[in-house]
Formats: sequence, C-alpha cells, structure tokens
Amino acid sequence: AQSVSQHNHHVILSEAASLELGCNYSYGGTVNLFWYVQYPGQHLQLLLKYFSGDPLVKGIKGFEAEFIKSKFSFNLRKPSVQWSDTAEYFCAVKPGNTGKLIFGQGTTLQVKP
Amino acid sequence: GAVVSQHPSRVICKSGTSVKIECRSLDFQATTMFWYRQFPKQSLMLMATSNEGSKATYEQGVEKDKFLINHASLTLSTLTVTSAHPEDSSFYICSAFETGGGTEAFFGQGTRLTVV
Repeated sequence: AQSVSQHNHHVILSEAASLELGCNYSYGGTVNLFWYVQYPGQHLQLLLKYFSGDPLVKGIKGFEAEFIKSKFSFNLRKPSVQWSDTAEYFCAVKPGNTGKLIFGQGTTLQVKP
Repeated sequence: GAVVSQHPSRVICKSGTSVKIECRSLDFQATTMFWYRQFPKQSLMLMATSNEGSKATYEQGVEKDKFLINHASLTLSTLTVTSAHPEDSSFYICSAFETGGGTEAFFGQGTRLTVV
C-alpha cells in the first residue's frame, strides 16, 4: 500500500538553528511530492512541491526540499528557523495521475525564541 | 492562489442527527474534490473522492452510507455525516485541484464537528 512516513513527530529548536524534517514514501511509480504547513488555527498552506526537473526545490519562507529518488525521500530543510515557523508540517505524495494526496503523520515544530 | 471555502467552520450536533458540510471552489472549477478527516494530533486521512455528476469514490474502511457525498456542480461538493455519533467528532477538510491540470491542491479551512 502507498504510504508516507515522517520520521520526526515533535521537533524543538531554538531560533536560528537549522532544520531538517525527514519524509519517505512507498510508491514505485511517478509521484508528485509536497510539503504543507499548518499554522495554529489556519488552513493547510503549500510550502513547496516537486513535479519534475531539478530535485532541489525551493519554496516559500526560505524552505527547500530535496527529492532523492533512489531513497524515496523528500526531506524538508531550512538553514535558520524563526519563532514564526512554529507549526505542523506535513509531507504528502500524489501518486501517478490521481488527484488524491497521501499524507505523512505530520511533524510538530516548536521554535523557542 | 485559488480559494476553497468550507462551511460551517464549526458545528456541534446531537448524537443521531445529520450534519452537512459544504466545500466550494470560489474562483475556479473543480470536477474533482477530496474529503479528508484529521483526528487530533494525527495526519489527514483521505475519506473519499468527490466527482462532479457521478458517484463518489470512497477509501477502504469509509462507510459510504454514513458519509454521503454530493458533487452537484463544478464548484460545490457536500459531505453529509448521517446519524452522527461522538466517534464521528473530528476535523473534516476538503481540497480541490483546478480542472484542466492544476498542479496544486487548495484546501478549505476545515470544519470542526463535535457530536454530543
């Protein structure tokens, strides 16, 4: 079955620390990959996406992610986090030509000022 | 970006009653919309795919007679939780891609359902 696994459930960092959130998926075919962020009380917002081309994608707010096909991974990174990055982060995979998204369990990021 | 609006944002209902949740694409058309459910501190689980003008496709384990989905137009899908019970209390979220090859899913703000 298709699945998405996020390795970190709860991450606590100090401001200016670097961030890396792991995401692995299980699906052998073509996938589109996404990272979403959910700030407290708000909609899910798209941080970045990968469809094809350069496996290193840059998103909003200084986030980037690298698609490593051989490892079925799409890890999210940010060199220097801010207190305002405190939120829930979800990795998601869209298999093939379907429109449905399969989400990872989510990672709660808490940034201490 | 495109906007997806859900209504209501919060609803409290009595056990045994039915609740309808609306999902509208405000500035684009969506032949397909998706309904997710999110339990506290957990991820979003796809419940069903709503198809305009045809029957919804339900994920395994989701009761289609309990969660009725209607997609009567290109901008509106509704989810009706029938004979609600406390275990149906959850956060329900819809999403849609723009018809014609949109590559980004737009999400509604979600509906917090509490069944008492």
